[in-house]
Amino acid sequence: DVKVTQSSRYLVKRTGEKVFLECVQDMDHENMFWYRQDPGLGLRLIYFSYDVKMKEKGDIPEGYSVSREKKERFSLILESASTNQTSMYLCASSGQNNEKLFFGSGTQLSVL
Amino acid sequence: GEDVEQSLFLSVREGDSSVINCTYTDSSSTYLYWYKQEPGAGLQLLTYIFSNMDMKQDQRLTVLLNKKDKHLSLRIADTQTGDSAIYFCAEAYNQGGKLIFGQGTELSVKP
Repeated sequence: DVKVTQSSRYLVKRTGEKVFLECVQDMDHENMFWYRQDPGLGLRLIYFSYDVKMKEKGDIPEGYSVSREKKERFSLILESASTNQTSMYLCASSGQNNEKLFFGSGTQLSVL
Repeated sequence: GEDVEQSLFLSVREGDSSVINCTYTDSSSTYLYWYKQEPGAGLQLLTYIFSNMDMKQDQRLTVLLNKKDKHLSLRIADTQTGDSAIYFCAEAYNQGGKLIFGQGTELSVKP
């Protein structure tokens, strides 16, 4: 079975801190995604990547950046965390055929 | 732009059937998906349907797709308390695996 692992289940950070959210998948998937989930809004795509060192903006990239130095790892970076970035962050991956998206368990980030 | 809409809440009694509805806007979608999210967990793929199909059945789950009306539904037969979760509808609107998700429907199953 595909495993998508997010390094932290819960994180509490202060406004202005630089925050790294890490995601690793073990199925040699080409595609990786970062979503945020907020009540009543569903999931919104922040950034995605189709290959190593490649990234594309999703629907809400402002305030975020990403890094994909290795195929299995996709990092989401909050350069200067703000309270409106308090949310559940979900990482996902899929293979070349793109039929199925597999999700990690999520990181609940609180910015105080 | 592309949009996926779902009602936010559904409450049923144990043993009844549940029907969760979804509408989408992009007629070029290749696949449509149903994901389940249990409390404190990530999203788990329940089932998906290719856009050239109109029905798919998998044990207690039945997916119906009406392409003309851009309407997708998930029927859960004999709903159990373990089915209580948030259900997300999603469409793949172009190549590359990007999905557009609905807001999620919170299903509450009462004994």
